[in-house]
Amino acid sequence: DTGVSQDPRHKITKRGQNVTFRCDPISEHNRLYWYRQTLGQGPEFLTYFQNEAQLEKSRLLSDRFSAERPKGSFSTLEIQRTEQGDSAMYLCASSLGPEGYRPYFGPGTRLTVT
Amino acid sequence: RKEVEQDPGPFNVPEGATVAFNCTYSNSASQSFFWYRQDCRKEPKLLMSVYSSGNEDGRFTAQLNRASQYISLLIRDSKLSDSATYLCVVTSGNTPLVFGKGTRLSVIA
Repeated sequence: DTGVSQDPRHKITKRGQNVTFRCDPISEHNRLYWYRQTLGQGPEFLTYFQNEAQLEKSRLLSDRFSAERPKGSFSTLEIQRTEQGDSAMYLCASSLGPEGYRPYFGPGTRLTVT
Repeated sequence: RKEVEQDPGPFNVPEGATVAFNCTYSNSASQSFFWYRQDCRKEPKLLMSVYSSGNEDGRFTAQLNRASQYISLLIRDSKLSDSATYLCVVTSGNTPLVFGKGTRLSVIA
């Protein structure tokens, strides 16, 4: 399967714990995006990378959130001191960009904070 | 005003019906437009890009009106399998994708 993959698919954690998610984009895609989606809402932008450079971060990305893409391939999203409001689906997408704007999404990581 | 607005629905239509969704966007600098389909508890999947001249893919037709800043999606001869949430997506060249909240469609036998 050469699509976008994410790991883990599901994560249940207790409030206050740290969690880290991984995204592996389609191999030739240089843009990688992180989105968050809650029930009944469209995906909300968190951050994106062009190769290893983080180009933009949403104001939704509080200082408890950090994302990296150290070698311009896979990316990680870490949430420190999780809160119940962090419970959501975390979606990763990749694209050839900016010329190739056809982003493809991974299956997502569903986070539940208890 | 939200950047991308869609009627949330739900649209409940019988099989074989034609249904249309509209989406408006606020950023006049937007350059690329897409419709994504999302099934329950699944990731969004690209349905089609939207081009200025309008484009068709089988039973699906997408239109763009830059002057009025809206995009439409028309589905003809609806199938049960078309039941999903349809997300309108907008971006300008160097900005991330902006999603609408989605429009829910239920096709009923």
